[in-house]
Amino acid sequence: DAKTTQPPSMDCAEGRAANLPCNHSTISGNEYVYWYRQIHSQGPQYIIHGLKNNETNEMASLIITEDRKSSTLILPHATLRDTAVYYCIVLGDYKLSFGAGTTVTVRA
Amino acid sequence: DTGVSQNPRHKITKRGQNVTFRCDPISEHNRLYWYRQTLGQGPEFLTYFQNEAQLEKSRLLSDRFSAERPKGSFSTLEIQRTEQGDSAMYLCASSLQDHQPQHFGDGTRLSIL
Repeated sequence: DAKTTQPPSMDCAEGRAANLPCNHSTISGNEYVYWYRQIHSQGPQYIIHGLKNNETNEMASLIITEDRKSSTLILPHATLRDTAVYYCIVLGDYKLSFGAGTTVTVRA
Repeated sequence: DTGVSQNPRHKITKRGQNVTFRCDPISEHNRLYWYRQTLGQGPEFLTYFQNEAQLEKSRLLSDRFSAERPKGSFSTLEIQRTEQGDSAMYLCASSLQDHQPQHFGDGTRLSIL
């Protein structure tokens, strides 16, 4: 599976959009981009995934560049409960390979 | 709640003892996964079941570890002769198919005294 690169941390103001970048320059054509988040002492929570097209659900939007070498997770209106570690993962078969993720802190 | 359920949530045991954890996946999910997470790290893949068949075991899973999924429903993960290095959060996830999202339980936190 392709490796991903994420910034180690970022802050966001409550009520504003949070844009989380992820680089995956070695992604293959059949590999999906998945986003999970993990709040302290809980299991990872699935957010969204995509292959080529942009995706949106009730939690977030996923923007994948045309060359698929990078993506951005958008939390449209961040709340304090969105404070968590966010993982960008490229999935080829069935094994999720979690990196260090981005620690997102939403501030009031 | 129809999510993934893991029991117990916490387990404290002495070094050398055997422990067993249970995972109940989301009903109708025939894929089941075990991961291990140590403090400050992301989860690491341990093993994978498709129905009752264990299709892959990570090299992280030494011969002291065994996982089963009888009848393709719940799964158990057993650790024999526990060591200090086994202290971690053990996470279970399930999915409908390989490229469908994996949904995680809240894990079993194991502490070895």
